[in-house]
Amino acid sequence: AQTVTQSQPEMSVQEAETVTLSCTYDTSESDYYLFWYKQPPSRQMILVIRQEAYKQQNATENRFSVNFQKAAKSFSLKISDSQLGDAAMYFCAYRSRSGNEKLTFGTGTRLTIIP
Amino acid sequence: NAGVMQNPRHLVRRRGQEARLRCSPMKGHSHVYWYRQLPEEGLKFMVYLQKENIIDESGMPKERFSAEFPKEGPSILRIQQVVRGDSAAYFCASSPLQSSSSTDTQYFGPGTRLTVL
Repeated sequence: AQTVTQSQPEMSVQEAETVTLSCTYDTSESDYYLFWYKQPPSRQMILVIRQEAYKQQNATENRFSVNFQKAAKSFSLKISDSQLGDAAMYFCAYRSRSGNEKLTFGTGTRLTIIP
Repeated sequence: NAGVMQNPRHLVRRRGQEARLRCSPMKGHSHVYWYRQLPEEGLKFMVYLQKENIIDESGMPKERFSAEFPKEGPSILRIQQVVRGDSAAYFCASSPLQSSSSTDTQYFGPGTRLTVL
């Protein structure tokens, strides 16, 4: 079974600075998807960024980018120019590309933005 | 295009009552997933449904929990004889047909927070 590990329960960053959230996963599959979701205090789950394992290029979405290291099974999220609205829980998630379509989530990292 | 709709947003039940949670997927989406989030934890998969079919219920508790996604109408997650341990946020997500290039992404509703007294 696949597992997703987020080893940082809490992180904080000064406004306008850069922060990196860590995520590692375990799988025997070669093709899969990885995601970062954001959960603000409203508890709505918001998709931040998505990476397909067969793509070597790291995904980027505006101020959000990932460092995908397939051999190391690592998938970190970098947030540049942090803003107050980035404060939230961030969840890393794994999904197989074939067969079972469920998302497997990590336990989350609570990000605090310091004004 | 409206997002995934869930209702109610908040539901309070006494022990032994039934809870019914509803989820309307995004327009054009035929795959529905239910997840549960216990306090201070990540989301855990419960069940995956397509219209009139349960595809994967490996995350559903064996008793008291059931789910359906009828041909017409929303998906329903039903919890019978609720206990305090059922208190959690229940999230529904949807994705399009498998033939779509974006089938890999699941879009979440706002969740239903169930409190069992």
